[in-house]
Amino acid sequence: NAGVTQTPKFQVLKTGQSMTLQCAQDMNHEYMSWYRQDPGMGLRLIHYSVGAGITDQGEVPNGYNVSRSTTEDFPLRLLSAAPSQTSVYFCASSYRGRSMNTEAFFGQGTRLTVV
Amino acid sequence: AQSVTQPDIHITVSEGASLELRCNYSYGATPYLFWYVQSPGQGLQLLLKYFSGDTLVQGIKGFEAEFKRSQSSFNLRKPSVHWSDAAEYFCAVGAGYNTDKLIFGTGTRLQVFP
Repeated sequence: NAGVTQTPKFQVLKTGQSMTLQCAQDMNHEYMSWYRQDPGMGLRLIHYSVGAGITDQGEVPNGYNVSRSTTEDFPLRLLSAAPSQTSVYFCASSYRGRSMNTEAFFGQGTRLTVV
Repeated sequence: AQSVTQPDIHITVSEGASLELRCNYSYGATPYLFWYVQSPGQGLQLLLKYFSGDTLVQGIKGFEAEFKRSQSSFNLRKPSVHWSDAAEYFCAVGAGYNTDKLIFGTGTRLQVFP
């Protein structure tokens, strides 16, 4: 199993450009989430989804859009990139189970630079 | 509001020494607590988790953590550190069984000297 796969691994954008960060998981997990990681701030939740067709905002949603048309995929869209969106982005997925076996699995991250 | 505090930004230890990384949380109900490790340029790997039951939790790579409700703490420990443990460590709290919304601390970077 591949787990959680993020593409691309690195990206440089110009201010105002748009792009989509891809995230796919092959574990049939209901939950998927996007976080951004900035120095000294840990990981902060951008958007999350509890299942196909259902999304909601996290702590820092401004400037980002998401959709969840399938269980496997959860793309993150930057409509008009800004330098403040320079960060490392992590996608995570987890099983929606009422048990102690649930945990979040993280992708390898996408390092985005906006110039 | 939920929050997680990791008071130590950077810790340096000698190989073979013991280690304790501090984590304090703020949460109104029973917290579900996690420790993740991130090696340079990598994603996050789960070390251990606490949902209920025994307050001393064993994890991978020889790590353990103790949940202390009275102190709102979930400190990570290892009796003897190896050079390969050098990484960044994150404490996180989740709401109930839901791991779709994790609140992370700001992380502690561990440096290990030979």
